Amino acid sequence: DQQVKQNSPSLSVQEGRISILNCDYTNSMFDYFLWYKKYPAEGPTFLISISSIKDKNEDGRFTVFLNKSAKHLSLHIVPSQPGDSAVYFCAASEGGTSYGKLTFGQGTILTVHP
Amino acid sequence: KAGVTQTPRYLIKTRGQQVTLSCSPISGHRSVSWYQQTPGQGLQFLFEYFSETQRNKGNFPGRFSGRQFSNSRSEMNVSTLELGDSALYLCASSFGGTYTDTQYFGPGTRLTVL
Repeated sequence: DQQVKQNSPSLSVQEGRISILNCDYTNSMFDYFLWYKKYPAEGPTFLISISSIKDKNEDGRFTVFLNKSAKHLSLHIVPSQPGDSAVYFCAASEGGTSYGKLTFGQGTILTVHP
Repeated sequence: KAGVTQTPRYLIKTRGQQVTLSCSPISGHRSVSWYQQTPGQGLQFLFEYFSETQRNKGNFPGRFSGRQFSNSRSEMNVSTLELGDSALYLCASSFGGTYTDTQYFGPGTRLTVL
């Protein structure tokens, strides 16, 4: 039972354009969401997060949008850079006593071409 | 500030053996979570420790266990290794006060079971 789904295994964009990575979830108890990126041979690196009381959060080139009614979140990267090429994971937390437990999607491989 | 460190980085074991992996969290962080990453199942939560107490546990058999020391360093142990235990094992640390505290990941330990 995959509670967090990233339906696109890969995405390819040109440098300077927008990258949009999508994530869907099924567990209505999730109330905190995060995006991580991962380079080969490294652990995931935190990018940005959003609480369920918000619908948008920005940090520099990265913006996360949350649509609670659709149980959908997306990560926008503008402008995309070749160094952004990595695997991107969305993750979710139920809150309350779910200390330390993140539920991850399967990841989307982003390739940004110069 | 030093990041999360994990030792060893690579490990080869045979079926039936046991293994112990170590994780040193970021200074000041009191929570350590462990995850298993495999190609088929993705990133899955194993357990979380805070102040030497296990606060949360994922759906893994009892062969997987962990502990945390007074300096917040953590170890996880897998007994009676099976081929399917071959995976990247990641630990993540956070302040641990709330479930929204950002988790920072180490580079992982690649375990191969032959």
